[in-house]
Amino acid sequence: QLVLTQSPSASASLGASVKLTCTLSSGHISYAIAWHQQQPEKGPRYLMKVNSDGSHTKGDGTPDRFSGSSSGAERYLTISSLQSEDEADYYCQTWGTGIRVFGGGTKLTVL
Amino acid sequence: QVRLVQSGAEVKKPGASVKVSCKASGYTFTNYGISWVRQAPGQGPEWMGWISASNGNRNYVQKFQDRVTMTIDTSTSTAYMEVGRLRSDDTAMYYCARDQPYSQITDAFDFWGQGTMVTVSS
Repeated sequence: QLVLTQSPSASASLGASVKLTCTLSSGHISYAIAWHQQQPEKGPRYLMKVNSDGSHTKGDGTPDRFSGSSSGAERYLTISSLQSEDEADYYCQTWGTGIRVFGGGTKLTVL
Repeated sequence: QVRLVQSGAEVKKPGASVKVSCKASGYTFTNYGISWVRQAPGQGPEWMGWISASNGNRNYVQKFQDRVTMTIDTSTSTAYMEVGRLRSDDTAMYYCARDQPYSQITDAFDFWGQGTMVTVSS
């Protein structure tokens, strides 16, 4: 079964960096994923797609401070030089024929 | 620029139906599909299904299969989703998202609508 696992929460200080993790279920470690940001009271916004080789493709307007990487079954979103507007929920998403799956989301608090 | 603009908030009674629209602009509508996603208050996103704007093929998540109908109007570049036999636990924000045009081609949702709040209450 295709499942994405995320830690429920993360925190980091203003100006620092943070790395969020999304873990693919066993048997699906070659899948690409996408990261979506959802700021408070707003809809989701596509940030980037991260492939199994660590390459990533950003969406329109995704700041350079956001980057993606991979290791095995894990896909990462790194945010550097944290700003207050980065405080949001971050969801990873993956897909296959006839299926689209979301992780449970990570709530990022900027201290 | 790509935009998906959804219809406004709805309040419905249990047992009623609701139809949400998603009007696309800024790209060739028939080169893509549309997925529908809902998000209950305080919860994560939940995929409901997909429709191709190229050929009208559909794929619904099993739990919604008997209550959801997705349609496309290529003349107005608009996708619709109707949910029938509404229950209180259907209260959620409903989003459309740009998807791929064929079921065997899959990729990330790269653009989202702004959402439509549907409240089901007696």
